[in-house]
Amino acid sequence: ILNVEQSPQSLHVQEGDSTNFTCSFPSSNFYALHWYRWETAKSPEALFVMTLNGDEKKKGRISATLNTKEGYSYLYIKGSQPEDSATYLCAPSQGGSEKLVFGKGTKLTVNP
Amino acid sequence: DAGITQSPRHKVTETGTPVTLRCHQTENHRYMYWYRQDPGHGLRLIHYSYGVKDTDKGEVSDGYSVSRSKTEDFLLTLESATSSQTSVYFCAISTGTSNTEAFFGQGTRLTVV
Repeated sequence: ILNVEQSPQSLHVQEGDSTNFTCSFPSSNFYALHWYRWETAKSPEALFVMTLNGDEKKKGRISATLNTKEGYSYLYIKGSQPEDSATYLCAPSQGGSEKLVFGKGTKLTVNP
Repeated sequence: DAGITQSPRHKVTETGTPVTLRCHQTENHRYMYWYRQDPGHGLRLIHYSYGVKDTDKGEVSDGYSVSRSKTEDFLLTLESATSSQTSVYFCAISTGTSNTEAFFGQGTRLTVV
């Protein structure tokens, strides 16, 4: 079973704060790293899929970086808004497999 | 939105009865997944499929079986439902290429009483 660690487990910030979370995964046999945003009572939605070491992706105020050699990815949110409140999940895959195993997620709460 | 439909959306069943959940896609995606959502655990992979009649176990496969007899349908069966299987179940699909995301169904809320 792939060991995926996300930290912190939860985070409370004020509107306007910038924040970041970490996804750690085994660096051996890396294939791809997925980030998803999951709002309460909804289905997870993809943010990014990253494959190359050093990759940086951005969508609005949210960005992510990838380090495949050391096995981690950071997700950044600039100027958090209440609508950013959600659980953020990462899922690495290995060796050409699309077996997606998720970390437990980071639950973000943005207070107005 | 990706064409993925789960049925039923809600179900209440009794302990010891078999239950089958269906995931149907219209995207012709190769990969299909079943997850369960539990507090403190996020999404845990039950089984997944990489093609017709090709399936593999995930993290929490005990008590579950799956079948994929055609590309568009992936069935999850609880052979003898237990209260610990009360959960929200999500199906997901993906093309299987490295740079594409998975798309999730709306979820099925299953209660075992």
